Amino acid sequence: GDSVTQMEGPVTLSEEAFLTINCTYTATGYPSLFWYVQYPGEGLQLLLKATKADDKGSNKGFEATYRKETTSFHLEKGSVQVSDSAVYFCALLTSSGSARQLTFGSGTQLTVLP
Amino acid sequence: KAGVTQTPRYLIKTRGQQVTLSCSPISGHRSVSWYQQTPGQGLQFLFEYFSETQRNKGNFPGRFSGRQFSNSRSEMNVSTLELGDSALYLCASSLAQENSPLHFGNGTRLTVT
Repeated sequence: GDSVTQMEGPVTLSEEAFLTINCTYTATGYPSLFWYVQYPGEGLQLLLKATKADDKGSNKGFEATYRKETTSFHLEKGSVQVSDSAVYFCALLTSSGSARQLTFGSGTQLTVLP
Repeated sequence: KAGVTQTPRYLIKTRGQQVTLSCSPISGHRSVSWYQQTPGQGLQFLFEYFSETQRNKGNFPGRFSGRQFSNSRSEMNVSTLELGDSALYLCASSLAQENSPLHFGNGTRLTVT
């Protein structure tokens, strides 16, 4: 079945450091890929998406490129801020007929220190 | 545009009781999905509804059920609650297009004692 493997946390960085959170996936076909972010006490917010190979999703300084050859969708940010502290989830969306379902990674807790 | 609204935000129930959670999707979104989030199992798919029909169901026991109304609002029900049902239940809505992302609400935190 479909699966997402995400870099284990927690990750602790100093403000303005470079961030990479690794994500690899296993899926049949060509799923769409997403990064979601969850702040304490809240639901999931869509951070960025990519729907086909070599697509680059970007938002709020975060980027991720859909790499079909390595089945990866690593999240990067050049300079993190304290406000980026949250849990980050990589996910793939599969469609089977008309049914659609997200499969999530286990999440990576990021803490950014001032 | 209002986001996905889930009510209530918090619930405390006793083992053996049943509970109903409610979700109002983003206006114009006709697909509604439910996910369970726990520290041990992470995020797991429960079911998806579109036009009042269940299109897909995850690997959960029959105690978990749902429905969708003609205005796309959805409810999920859990009967005969068990301690292990304590979780954050997240509702998501989306356009019914293949690559449309899912937009999540803030969830209902259910505690079973």
